Amino acid sequence: EAAVTQSPRNKVTVTGGNVTLSCRQTNSHNYMYWYRQDTGHGLRLIHYSYGAGNLQIGDVPDGYKATRTTQEDFFLLLELASPSQTSLYFCASSDASERLFFGHGTKLSVL
Amino acid sequence: GQQVQQSPASLVLQEGENAELQCNFSSTATQLQWFYQSPGGSLVSLLSNPSGTKHTGRLTSTTVTKERRSSLHISSSQTTDSGTYLCAMSGGSNAKLTFGKGTKLSVKS
Repeated sequence: EAAVTQSPRNKVTVTGGNVTLSCRQTNSHNYMYWYRQDTGHGLRLIHYSYGAGNLQIGDVPDGYKATRTTQEDFFLLLELASPSQTSLYFCASSDASERLFFGHGTKLSVL
Repeated sequence: GQQVQQSPASLVLQEGENAELQCNFSSTATQLQWFYQSPGGSLVSLLSNPSGTKHTGRLTSTTVTKERRSSLHISSSQTTDSGTYLCAMSGGSNAKLTFGKGTKLSVKS
């Protein structure tokens, strides 16, 4: 089973703060994704990547940057956090068949 | 863009009853997946079924590609099946999966 590890599990920051969410996958998957999940909206794609150094814009990218430093590591950056970014964030990876494997999620609160 | 609609939004069953969950999507799917989200929030891929019928354990998924719909049948439901079931699809060569809002299933003993 693919392993996707997110850190931190919980994060509280203030408006205007700087936040980095980390994700590591250990099964050599090419694709990695960042989603946010909010009541009433379901899971929405923020950014994704096909491989190290590659970045693709998702459906709700505003206010977020991402960086794929290696095959294993994908980071989500919030440089000026706002209360609207309070959410549950999921990282996922997939193989060629596109079956997704998710991390346990990061609960972010922006006060 | 791609849209995914799931129904019903919620479903309450007695243990042992069967469940039928529906997923309709706005464009032709080249990839269709069903996921389970536990009450604690963790997400697990149940199966991938872009067309035809697929079985795994007590789960059966049927996808009719040209009608842009998929269903997930859960037989002999158990209390541990309680949670939210999510449908997701992508079209063309795009790797982006679009998710529905889910069906919340509660199975009572």
